[in-house]
Amino acid sequence: SQTIHQWPATLVQPVGSPLSLECTVEGTSNPNLYWYRQAAGRGLQLLFYSVGIGQISSEVPQNLSASRPQDRQFILSSKKLLLSDSGFYLCAWSVLFQETQYFGPGTRLLVL
Amino acid sequence: AQTVTQSQPEMSVQEAETVTLSCTYDTSENNYYLFWYKQPPSRQMILVIRQEAYKQQNATENRFSVNFQKAAKSFSLKISDSQLGDTAMYFCAFPTGANNLFFGTGTRLTVIP
Repeated sequence: SQTIHQWPATLVQPVGSPLSLECTVEGTSNPNLYWYRQAAGRGLQLLFYSVGIGQISSEVPQNLSASRPQDRQFILSSKKLLLSDSGFYLCAWSVLFQETQYFGPGTRLLVL
Repeated sequence: AQTVTQSQPEMSVQEAETVTLSCTYDTSENNYYLFWYKQPPSRQMILVIRQEAYKQQNATENRFSVNFQKAAKSFSLKISDSQLGDTAMYFCAFPTGANNLFFGTGTRLTVIP
């Protein structure tokens, strides 16, 4: 069966510091991968998606970037965090676009 | 534009009773999927149920079922025999374009013992 992991689970970072959040998927090959952000009490906003190694599409211009160095690894990064980057970050995978997405446990990021 | 609307920010239900959460959407697509996700206090998004728009039969998963009305663009979730573990945020989601799941604003459901 497929599983999706995210780490760290919780992160507190000062403004201006770098960020690296990691997501890995097990039990499937060549998944579509997604990064979402959820502000407190709100729905999800798609940040990035990837259809393959090195292929990244950005949905929202912002302070963040994403990379996919391996087939089942998806990384969310920032060179300098802003206060507005605080939120809950969810990674997801799917077999095909427009079909079911399965989510990881998420990372709580607090920027102070 | 494609939109998803959940008009009930909060709902409550007595344990063992039935509750229905509403969702309406707008799309120009003809073949698509619709999803209900649950987000408990742990905040992990969990798929509850999926409906394929070309199927007339409403999807059912144990105590969860949908009332899908394609012409009305309505996709409600019915939870029967509500349990305390059903307390969560529930999001209706709909694929937009080729690459994105668009989520509604959610309904916070509380199951009262």
